Amino acid sequence: KQEVTQIPAALSVPEGENLVLNCSFTDSAIYNLQWFRQDPGKGLTSLLLIQSSQREQTSGRLNASLDKSSGRSTLYIAASQPGDSATYLCAVNSHKLVFGAGTILRVKS
Amino acid sequence: DTEVTQTPKHLVMGMTNKKSLKCEQHMGHRAMYWYKQKAKKPPELMFVYSYEKLSINESVPSRFSPECPNSSLLNLHLHALQPEDSALYLCASSLSNTGELFFGEGSRLTVL
Repeated sequence: KQEVTQIPAALSVPEGENLVLNCSFTDSAIYNLQWFRQDPGKGLTSLLLIQSSQREQTSGRLNASLDKSSGRSTLYIAASQPGDSATYLCAVNSHKLVFGAGTILRVKS
Repeated sequence: DTEVTQTPKHLVMGMTNKKSLKCEQHMGHRAMYWYKQKAKKPPELMFVYSYEKLSINESVPSRFSPECPNSSLLNLHLHALQPEDSALYLCASSLSNTGELFFGEGSRLTVL
């Protein structure tokens, strides 16, 4: 059974800092891994999708990496802004999408 | 257009009521999903439809009844719910079972 863990559970940083969110999974037989953002009471916004054959994906200030053999992914956010404050969820697709518990990010101005 | 539309946004119902949640997408996606999310928890998969056929039911109680009338629409029929069923219900779609998922804004359900 696929299990997904995200570290840290919460993170508070001053504006402008670069930061890394971590995701680990137990079963390396995956189709892809997806990072989402969720604002309070809202739906999930897809940030990046990494296929199992890829090592990284970039979108603007976001960069996600995937090391399938070690069961790890990281989401790197450059030059963080207060608008980046949200919950970030990692989800692994191995037949079905399994979510981690999320990292609550607060960027202070 | 990467939009998944869910209605209603909010629903309050009694334990004896019958109601439905609706989800629509026009991206040509052939896989559609229902997720349930409790406060401060990640989404939990309930049902998956692939090419309008139910492919995954995560042992969801029968008081939740999904329906996929066509490739663009997904319904979740609710009957005799319990207060613990109160949650945010999220619909998602993807081009295929292994594709990128796009979520709607959710329907906030309160069962009294």
